[in-house]
Amino acid sequence: DAGITQSPRHKVTETGTPVTLRCHQTENHRYMYWYRQDPGHGLRLIHYSYGVKDTDKGEVSDGYSVSRSKTEDFLLTLESATSSQTSVYFCAIRTTGGATDTQYFGPGTRLTVL
Amino acid sequence: AQSVTQPDIHITVSEGASLELRCNYSYGATPYLFWYVQSPGQGLQLLLKYFSGDTLVQGIKGFEAEFKRSQSSFNLRKPSVHWSDAAEYFCAVGGGVYSSASKIIFGSGTRLSIRP
Repeated sequence: DAGITQSPRHKVTETGTPVTLRCHQTENHRYMYWYRQDPGHGLRLIHYSYGVKDTDKGEVSDGYSVSRSKTEDFLLTLESATSSQTSVYFCAIRTTGGATDTQYFGPGTRLTVL
Repeated sequence: AQSVTQPDIHITVSEGASLELRCNYSYGATPYLFWYVQSPGQGLQLLLKYFSGDTLVQGIKGFEAEFKRSQSSFNLRKPSVHWSDAAEYFCAVGGGVYSSASKIIFGSGTRLSIRP
């Protein structure tokens, strides 16, 4: 599992409230990713990071922001949650080096926005 | 633009039959290509990947995939499926780990059902 944890694992919140999801890794990987998974859409990339304070947008970044102030933590913030952001959120790290290049995923966070 | 298309939303095959899941990608350079599997209620597991060299790659659980640059495809195959192969399969494309090229995009997935 590459030492990836996500918190919280489940959250119910109301429209308009801010929400922060945390991804924590213990193995000092440089590359981290946030995806959301919805039926019929697969996994869609929200934001990714290629180092401390180095982040970039993915396919569906509107309404989301991220921060990475230290290697082990990658935070995803919904500034003002909407019902369309109800989803399962997965964090991933990427190991690098050709043959060993692989993403490992966290257990996911199920977010419900009422 | 970087993208992945999995044209088959749902496929049903009989146990013991052969399987091919299609994946087409768009990427401006030589891609890294991946296939992942997700069983119900589970996380994603890497089946195999292509990053260079031999275009026919072998993976776990008896799966293989062939990279065809001319067709921008990376189809997943298995000669004989087992009931335990029922799951959702995702194809993904990305670049090498050079700053902004490090993003990886997934397709929308193909759900595989197995007929006894």
